[in-house]
Amino acid sequence: AQSVAQPEDQVNVAEGNPLTVKCTYSVSGNPYLFWYVQYPNRGLQFLLKYITGDNLVKGSYGFEAEFNKSQTSFHLKKPSALVSDSALYFCAVRDSHNAGNMLTFGGGTRLMVKP
Amino acid sequence: DAGVIQSPRHEVTEMGQEVTLRCKPISGHDYLFWYRQTMMRGLELLIYFNNNVPIDDSGMPEDRFSAKMPNASFSTLKIQPSEPRDSAVYFCASSAGQGILPGEQFFGPGTRLTVL
Repeated sequence: AQSVAQPEDQVNVAEGNPLTVKCTYSVSGNPYLFWYVQYPNRGLQFLLKYITGDNLVKGSYGFEAEFNKSQTSFHLKKPSALVSDSALYFCAVRDSHNAGNMLTFGGGTRLMVKP
Repeated sequence: DAGVIQSPRHEVTEMGQEVTLRCKPISGHDYLFWYRQTMMRGLELLIYFNNNVPIDDSGMPEDRFSAKMPNASFSTLKIQPSEPRDSAVYFCASSAGQGILPGEQFFGPGTRLTVL
C-alpha cells in the first residue's frame, strides 16, 4: 500500500524568508513523488516530480524538493518566499509496485506568506 | 492545448435530482481520473480509467455514483439520486502513461456541486 503524510495543516512564513513544506511517504517498492499547488477556486497544478536520479529536484516557480530515502521524505522548499506563493500544497506518491498511474495525495498544507 | 475541460463549472441542484458532470481530457492522454474535494475529507480519488477502461473504482462512495468513458475524449460522472452530502468540488485529471513510469496528472478547473 502507498500512503503520504503532510504533518502540517498550515505553514506561515514572511516574504523573503525560506520556506519548507514537509512530506513523508510509505511504499513497499520505490517511490514516485510529486508536488502540486492549488490556488483558490482552481484545479491542482503540477510543480515537480521525483522518479529517479538526482535527489534534488527543481520545479516551477523556483520551487525545489529533496528526496531523502532514509527519512522517507520529500520536502518542498524555496529559498525566498513570495506573497503570491500563498496557496494549498499537495504531496503525492505512487508505489513502483503498483500498476497503473494512480497517485495517493496527502491532506494538503496551506502556505501563508505574509508581507 | 486547452488543458482538461470540465463542465459545468458550477451546479446547484435539489436533493434527489440526477447530476451529470463532464470531462474532456487532454488529447493523447490515456489515463483519466475523477476526484472529489471537500474540507472534511480532502482530495479523494473516486475512479480512474486507462484507455477508456475503468481500472479502479474502489473510491466510488456508493451505487448512486457511476462513471463512464465512451471514448478517449470524453468522460462523465453521474450521481443519481443526489444528496446534500455529495456537495463538493469534483475534479477530472488526465495523464500520459510513460511505460512503467507515472506521468504527472493535469487537472481541470473543477465542478463545484451544491445539492440543496
